[in-house]
Amino acid sequence: NAGVTQTPKFRVLKTGQSMTLLCAQDMNHEYMYWYRQDPGMGLRLIHYSVGEGTTAKGEVPDGYNVSRLKKQNFLLGLESAAPSQTSVYFCASSSSQETQYFGPGTRLLVL
Amino acid sequence: DQQVKQNSPSLSVQEGRISILNCDYTNSMFDYFLWYKKYPAEGPTFLISISSIKDKNEDGRFTVFLNKSAKHLSLHIVPSQPGDSAVYFCAASAISTEKLTFGTGTRLTIIP
Repeated sequence: NAGVTQTPKFRVLKTGQSMTLLCAQDMNHEYMYWYRQDPGMGLRLIHYSVGEGTTAKGEVPDGYNVSRLKKQNFLLGLESAAPSQTSVYFCASSSSQETQYFGPGTRLLVL
Repeated sequence: DQQVKQNSPSLSVQEGRISILNCDYTNSMFDYFLWYKKYPAEGPTFLISISSIKDKNEDGRFTVFLNKSAKHLSLHIVPSQPGDSAVYFCAASAISTEKLTFGTGTRLTIIP
């Protein structure tokens, strides 16, 4: 059981470039989430999904898009990266509304 | 509007003593509370949780207390060990929602 994995671990982008972050889970969880963590801000929810084919906006969705084409995968896209999107991104999954299990994170630097 | 607040950004405790981390919330619809622990360069890991129908939950050295009237919860670690040095996040979920709201975290340092 790998749990929740994230790809890539680290990435540097130039302003305006696009990229996709991949999250995969092997626990057959229905719910999946994308968060960003910034200093002094805790974890803020970007988008989430309550099942295959569904997505919903979280607290800070602007500038991001997501897709959940397969139950085990949740993709986070940045269409035109901005320096304000420099952050550490965490994916999580859960089988209920309660305990979420997190991936190791993706560190993104936008220059 | 910060619905879950951890007012102490950092806390230092001597090894062997009790560590007490605090968390306050404002949303009366929250009915489930969790604590996560995070080491540098790793994702948060679930530590312990409590439902609003209880006021205490224990798991080994970790105990979470919930005071619903004060909208306050605390995490007690006894005895504190060097491996407990990490950032601790408090989180809460509201009735019939799929989302967690996190606090800003408290960095705990255990002094040997």
